[in-house]
Amino acid sequence: EVQLVESGGGLVQPGGSLRLSCAASGITVGSNYMTWVRQAPGKGLEWVSTIYSDSSTYYPDSVKDRFTISRDDSKNSLFLQMNSLRGEDTAVYYCARDTGVEFDYWGQGTLVTVSS
Amino acid sequence: NFMLTQPHSVSESPGKTVTISCTRTSGSIASNYVQWYQQRPGASPTTVIYEDNRRPSGVPDRFSGSIDSSSNSASLTISGLKTEDEADYYCQSYDSNTWVFGGGSKLTVL
Repeated sequence: EVQLVESGGGLVQPGGSLRLSCAASGITVGSNYMTWVRQAPGKGLEWVSTIYSDSSTYYPDSVKDRFTISRDDSKNSLFLQMNSLRGEDTAVYYCARDTGVEFDYWGQGTLVTVSS
Repeated sequence: NFMLTQPHSVSESPGKTVTISCTRTSGSIASNYVQWYQQRPGASPTTVIYEDNRRPSGVPDRFSGSIDSSSNSASLTISGLKTEDEADYYCQSYDSNTWVFGGGSKLTVL
């Protein structure tokens, strides 16, 4: 059974930083494409970042140069380092496995609130 | 980059059929696969259609997907509506290392 468990969310002030983690079981993070997707309160889904098995990384303009996706193969975990946080980054952040076509496994999400 | 446009909300009665559209604003809808996700309140999204028209195991055949190049859109059709189908539905596609979601459509079964 595949499980993705996010952690690390919380309340942070504007301009602050936060590091999210996604612990995987049932799949090997380093052998898969892995993605972060977020959902602001009452809003839709937004792609945040993807890392390929060859370690190539991709971001939309809204988070480029502020967020960094990475992984630790020894811990079978995915990470999202978020810097220079803004109010509009407030959201539930999900990690998901990307088959190259579809996001087939999702975690339960972790809430990030950016507020003073 | 492109966008995917969905109706904000749709509603239909139990037992009826509903279709949710997803229009690609630039580039061809047929150039990259379209997926559809269902999200119930408080839950993570789950796939109901992938690769335009394929159903994951466990998804009932009441759910079907299609694409129409003439309107540059994809569609999710749910037949024999059940109250449990009430949820938000999102289309998603990809192009040039960019993953795009539609804005989501709230399906009400009343």
